[in-house]
Amino acid sequence: GAGVSQSPSNKVTEKGKDVELRCDPISGHTALYWYRQSLGQGLEFLIYFQGNSAPDKSGLPSDRFSAERTGGSVSTLTIQRTQQEDSAVYLCASSLEWTRTEAFFGQGTRLTVV
Amino acid sequence: AQRVTQPEKLLSVFKGAPVELKCNYSYSGSPELFWYVQYSRQRLQLLLRHISRESIKGFTADLNKGETSFHLKKPFAQEEDSAMYYCALRGNQGGKLIFGQGTELSVKP
Repeated sequence: GAGVSQSPSNKVTEKGKDVELRCDPISGHTALYWYRQSLGQGLEFLIYFQGNSAPDKSGLPSDRFSAERTGGSVSTLTIQRTQQEDSAVYLCASSLEWTRTEAFFGQGTRLTVV
Repeated sequence: AQRVTQPEKLLSVFKGAPVELKCNYSYSGSPELFWYVQYSRQRLQLLLRHISRESIKGFTADLNKGETSFHLKKPFAQEEDSAMYYCALRGNQGGKLIFGQGTELSVKP
């Protein structure tokens, strides 16, 4: 596809369950970012990948959150034992390089924990 | 610490009026600065960045290193400019973008 693709678009899960959110970046983009967008909170940085490695995981809110990227392409954000405060829109973005290039965003996954 | 501050949560103007969305940053170095826009039910997209020094949809932004600001301006607002605007910073080593809290711009007819 031409843009960053995220799946699912919407996810409703029960408290305590694990969820996986997927991001397909633009082909050839080496950098990939995950953000969380909560009502009134702006965009909160979670983690950033350069290739398959994550030089900056500083934004992951707890050890329930993890992410991986394989083949320098697809990335998965996993949230274990979901809590209601995890409800938010999770955004993925990718850029050609890790500096001086535009980041393109996906449409997001809206996660609701009930 | 890297920080981006957008002091206004909501800015409401009438069509044809000038608009300025404020952005201040904290960074000890030479950052890259961006403005992103999110129209209703659309994905976040780049509006402009300081290294390009371009005008997009009539918007301009000038980096003021002395005041550590990157305010977004448009001389005559249009209704289609109504959206959420985010200022963002990337350090000179590259990597993550740090976003402000966003300003919702409402342009009334």
